[in-house]
Amino acid sequence: DTAVSQTPKYLVTQMGNDKSIKCEQNLGHDTMYWYKQDSKKFLKIMFSYNNKELIINETVPNRFSPKSPDKAHLNLHINSLELGDSAVYFCASSPVVGTSVRGYTGELFFGEGSRLTVL
Amino acid sequence: ILNVEQSPQSLHVQEGDSTNFTCSFPSSNFYALHWYRWETAKSPEALFVMTLNGDEKKKGRISATLNTKEGYSYLYIKGSQPEDSATYLCALESSNDYKLSFGAGTTVTVRA
Repeated sequence: DTAVSQTPKYLVTQMGNDKSIKCEQNLGHDTMYWYKQDSKKFLKIMFSYNNKELIINETVPNRFSPKSPDKAHLNLHINSLELGDSAVYFCASSPVVGTSVRGYTGELFFGEGSRLTVL
Repeated sequence: ILNVEQSPQSLHVQEGDSTNFTCSFPSSNFYALHWYRWETAKSPEALFVMTLNGDEKKKGRISATLNTKEGYSYLYIKGSQPEDSATYLCALESSNDYKLSFGAGTTVTVRA
């Protein structure tokens, strides 16, 4: 069983379209994340949810909207796709909360990534 | 997001040889230093999370040390095997916000 699974693994779409990437974890973790691997291969955090509550929201265009229907799922919806959105997006989960108020990140469990190509 | 540097960017090592590489980070507001192993076409997997200055952690033939005062960590691979070929990522967790700032990784290729 895959602990953190993302779908789709590959997504090719046209500029201006709206698309979603889904993520599910079966580890019972409270916190889930979306990371983007940029052109220089760095992993950069986009969002984090703890028990369906948004706790980290980095400087990301508001065309990106995360949605967490329950603590096992964190989906990423992207409106009006642009060429610069082409990247690999990684979902992750951890058993602890990552904010200065509540605690530390702990070990991350990553999905295999979703490669988005915008033409 | 903090500046985390890894060097070298890539290295080749002969099977059976040992190797090591570096992660450098700002030492202020340190909370933890993470190491992840990332094989091609797979997900990054956690190796170590280190919090204390002078910490040394070991998993099989891979070990890591941490110096929080000078802001660096070394990862060592002893007796490299082809299955050690991967990109090794380090990430700094800040005490300000507990977010992870990742380095770009060191890609290790072990030649048989």
